[in-house]
Amino acid sequence: DIQMTQSPSSLSASVGDRVTITCRASQNINTYLNWYQQKPGQAPKLLIYGASSLPSGAPSRFSGSGSGTDFTLTISSLQPADFATYFCQQSYNTPRTFGQGTKVEIK
Amino acid sequence: EVQLLESGGGLVQPGESLRLSCAASGFGFTSDAMSWVRQSPGKGLEWVSAISGNGFNTYYADSVKGRFTVSRDNSKRTLFLQVSSLRVEDTAIYYCAKLVYSSGCEYFQHWGLGTLVTVSS
Repeated sequence: DIQMTQSPSSLSASVGDRVTITCRASQNINTYLNWYQQKPGQAPKLLIYGASSLPSGAPSRFSGSGSGTDFTLTISSLQPADFATYFCQQSYNTPRTFGQGTKVEIK
Repeated sequence: EVQLLESGGGLVQPGESLRLSCAASGFGFTSDAMSWVRQSPGKGLEWVSAISGNGFNTYYADSVKGRFTVSRDNSKRTLFLQVSSLRVEDTAIYYCAKLVYSSGCEYFQHWGLGTLVTVSS
């Protein structure tokens, strides 16, 4: 199975900050990497697919980059609605696997 | 608007079974691959199973293979997950999700609210 490792596991930031979360795959996954946001008591929500594509309705302050084994999710200017947990997920092969999550908290 | 509504969860003892359902609306469904993903309380996400639009192709995580069975009734726009021989470690919220393939990448486009399965003696 492909292992997905996120860093950091948690971070504290202020509204307006630029935030970067990284995700590393245990093997090359091309750009088959997706990002999800999950708020407490809610289901995950798609944020980025194919490493860098923004789905319809996702705020433009979110962006993704990377290929191969190293990926990044960036929030250009953190908003109150962005305090949540973020997961990366690979769709290169089965089983699909997720990172352990990065919790973004208010500083 | 896409809606996925899971049901069928509950409290069961180890070794028992449940049938989870996911009612879909707001999209085609019959040509859409679907998946189940679970999340243990306070923990991360684990892909469980997937099924093609016509139901002919099914996929499972090793941790549930032989115990869980995914199926669908396209006439009723409903996805199912038969969970059997349940273990304490199967305790989780079970989400159904709509799969999309775009530019060669597959992703979970929409998720339901989930149904909680608790396995405890």
